[in-house]
Amino acid sequence: NAGVTQTPKFQVLKTGQSMTLQCAQDMNHNSMYWYRQDPGMGLRLIYYSASEGTTDKGEVPNGYNVSRLNKREFSLRLESAAPSQTSVYFCASSTHRGRIGTGELFFGEGSRLTVL
Amino acid sequence: GIQVEQSPPDLILQEGANSTLRCNFSDSVNNLQWFHQNPWGQLINLFYIPSGTKQNGRLSATTVATERYSLLYISSSQTTDSGVYFCAVGISGAGSYQLTFGKGTKLSVIP
Repeated sequence: NAGVTQTPKFQVLKTGQSMTLQCAQDMNHNSMYWYRQDPGMGLRLIYYSASEGTTDKGEVPNGYNVSRLNKREFSLRLESAAPSQTSVYFCASSTHRGRIGTGELFFGEGSRLTVL
Repeated sequence: GIQVEQSPPDLILQEGANSTLRCNFSDSVNNLQWFHQNPWGQLINLFYIPSGTKQNGRLSATTVATERYSLLYISSSQTTDSGVYFCAVGISGAGSYQLTFGKGTKLSVIP
């Protein structure tokens, strides 16, 4: 049982280059998320998809775009990478809990991105 | 937005000792989760606990929503408990999918 799978695990970009982080989950979860983790900052939500066909901005969406390709897959795209986007990116998925929103979050192993 | 404060920021324990980690939050929540990030960076969900008490082996958690705090207890600590523990909270309504994370408590268990 793979859970949440992210690719790539490591990536180095030059300023201005673009790239897409891929995420797939096999737990039949409705909701998927992209977080970034920076030293001393905890985790901050970039974008989320509460259900297939919907996406919404989180706390730090600037410079990113997302696509909920189907129920399993949720990708994060950097159109023009900047050094401020150097971070560790985590994808997560969860069940619905009705009005409560997200259920237990399950995370992928993370993708370490460096922008030079 | 909601503020989440975790204490202490750093904790060093001898193997076998017990510890209590605290999470305070600034507003009413309907979602609270505890996570462990191991030294290799992997994030594991420990508890979904918007209220009440839960136990899982040597770990237990209590959330007192009316007083806006949650506690994570680790008993008989082991070196494998080392890492960072995060508390994350969610509010009702439009923000119900947006969990806000605290900055974490870094735990080091020494043999």
